[in-house]
Amino acid sequence: DTEVTQTPKHLVMGMTNKKSLKCEQHMGHRAMYWYKQKAKKPPELMFVYSYEKLSINESVPSRFSPECPNSSLLNLHLHALQPEDSALYLCASSQGELAETQYFGPGTRLLVL
Amino acid sequence: KQEVTQIPAALSVPEGENLVLNCSFTDSAIYNLQWFRQDPGKGLTSLLLIQSSQREQTSGRLNASLDKSSGRSTLYIAASQPGDSATYLCAASGSARQLTFGSGTQLTVLP
Repeated sequence: DTEVTQTPKHLVMGMTNKKSLKCEQHMGHRAMYWYKQKAKKPPELMFVYSYEKLSINESVPSRFSPECPNSSLLNLHLHALQPEDSALYLCASSQGELAETQYFGPGTRLLVL
Repeated sequence: KQEVTQIPAALSVPEGENLVLNCSFTDSAIYNLQWFRQDPGKGLTSLLLIQSSQREQTSGRLNASLDKSSGRSTLYIAASQPGDSATYLCAASGSARQLTFGSGTQLTVLP
């Protein structure tokens, strides 16, 4: 099983809402990632978790809050987002952080009104 | 800071043609280079990963090469099919422990 699942597929939220994105993998991978991708642009790294600990935060605004409850699950909590945060949010996992194939989920398409 | 460039940005070919997609990177101190495929509005599918010690990798009709000294990688697609139409992204993994993506090549294979 080389699948990374993400829920929901689509999300529309207002600027005052609080919502969460969920990512799950059952490949025994110990590194998990959040990326943000705007239309016709490459993915941009947001966060990296390694062995359930945050190892990289790419200067992401505090309105994005990641959480790794266990080795299979990664959440991204959203609060007070701006319209410019509308994008495709991709989750990925790999066996380790370095020199490993990253497997991506299908993404959550987020629209902030 | 690593920069990854992909040329061309878009490519249209008739079905059956062999084609080459190019990727260049500025910092040769990479751990690996990955090629991904992305269909519109979808996630990324890993196609090939070349470790820094390798020169090429093959999977079916795909062959990827890596030349660290010149900072280049190519993805060769043999006998292209309409189902190959997608955006192809290369990404270099370096000392910063993250993937740096190119902007992609949008490939259209015409029936």
